[in-house]
Amino acid sequence: EADIYQTPRYLVIGTGKKITLECSQTMGHDKMYWYQQDPGMELHLIHYSYGVNSTEKGDLSSESTVSRIRTEHFPLTLESARPSHTSQYLCASAQAVNTGELFFGEGSRLTVL
Amino acid sequence: GIQVEQSPPDLILQEGANSTLRCNFSDSVNNLQWFHQNPWGQLINLFYIPSGTKQNGRLSATTVATERYSLLYISSSQTTDSGVYFCAVGSGGSNYKLTFGKGTLLTVNP
Repeated sequence: EADIYQTPRYLVIGTGKKITLECSQTMGHDKMYWYQQDPGMELHLIHYSYGVNSTEKGDLSSESTVSRIRTEHFPLTLESARPSHTSQYLCASAQAVNTGELFFGEGSRLTVL
Repeated sequence: GIQVEQSPPDLILQEGANSTLRCNFSDSVNNLQWFHQNPWGQLINLFYIPSGTKQNGRLSATTVATERYSLLYISSSQTTDSGVYFCAVGSGGSNYKLTFGKGTLLTVNP
């Protein structure tokens, strides 16, 4: 059973607001990821981290930012939300992706009005 | 980057039927995983299978790395099997970054 948690699960917010999506895992995994998924579509990697103080942008350009100050915590922030940011954001972690499994949280579904 | 194609895009079954989902990829991989996304949006890891065959209950998967494809078999399908099945691959030095296919939407009717 995966121990990776995302909050909030659902968020409806107005344009221009700052939001932070939280992601925490209790498995001690080094690698963490944020994927963005529109309804009925595939997942796109927007951020990843190999460990503390290590963050990289993914394949899909995103206006969001991330931080990795602690191993277990990988929050995603949007400084000024826009309707185009409406999507599902999925957080995942892995001990070592080339030898193991990727575990996903339940997702955060964001709607920007 | 590596391309991942899944087929069929949609599949409708009656409960009890068997099915095969396919994942083709454009380059050699050292990481391949199958996921099931349930109707509430959560992704569950089904198999980590860069090569060979694995079975877990009614589900099994086979990856033929030399021919660049993987198959997911679902036997005696149940309504709870409904959802989207994704194949994701990683290759070379970027094996820590998985590329996802567009998925197969499976609907199992009672």
